[in-house]
Amino acid sequence: EVQLVQSGSEVKKPGATVKISCKVSGYTFSDFYMQWVQQAPGKGLEWLGLLDPEDGKTKYAEKFQGRLTLTADKSTDTAYMELSSLRSEDTAVYYCTTGLFVNWGQGTLVTVSS
Amino acid sequence: EIVLTQSPATLSLSPGERATLSCRASQNVSNYLAWYQQKPGQAPRLLIYDVSNRATGFPARFIGSGSGTDFTLTISSLEPEDFAVYYCQQRSSWPLITFGQGTRLEIK
Repeated sequence: EVQLVQSGSEVKKPGATVKISCKVSGYTFSDFYMQWVQQAPGKGLEWLGLLDPEDGKTKYAEKFQGRLTLTADKSTDTAYMELSSLRSEDTAVYYCTTGLFVNWGQGTLVTVSS
Repeated sequence: EIVLTQSPATLSLSPGERATLSCRASQNVSNYLAWYQQKPGQAPRLLIYDVSNRATGFPARFIGSGSGTDFTLTISSLEPEDFAVYYCQQRSSWPLITFGQGTRLEIK
């Protein structure tokens, strides 16, 4: 069974950086792209970017370029999403999802508040 | 960027009725159009991929159709568990992905 287990909720101050993990099991980590999706409270889904765990190549949505960093550790089958210069509008649930969005993590709530 | 516009924003229907949800793309997305179902407090769940292919676990009452820029998700006869938010998504501009803003399907 494919599972994506994300790290727990975070509370950050404006200007800080958050790093969320997504540990996978049940498939070969390098076989599928890892994608990240943001969902602000009561809002829709926004694609953040993707990472190829095989070679570390990334592609980011233009809106998040410069603030978003996606990485992966093949030794632990874990993907990471780091978002810097946090502002209140980054308050959201962040999801990791594999391949063509078939499997999803449970989501991580990030709250940005002073 | 390819923009997806979903309509209506909210659809109020009763169990047993037919639901028709629309997704319009700002440019041709070929057949790279998917639909997701999301219930409160849950992650989205892939429902339809490549316009008309049902994902694992979804019954035949969910029907995807369309081509080019106009797509439809039809739920032939609503069950209580179908009331949720539905999003369309395109991957024609891979690796750049976009989602529609969602349609909330609520019980009338």
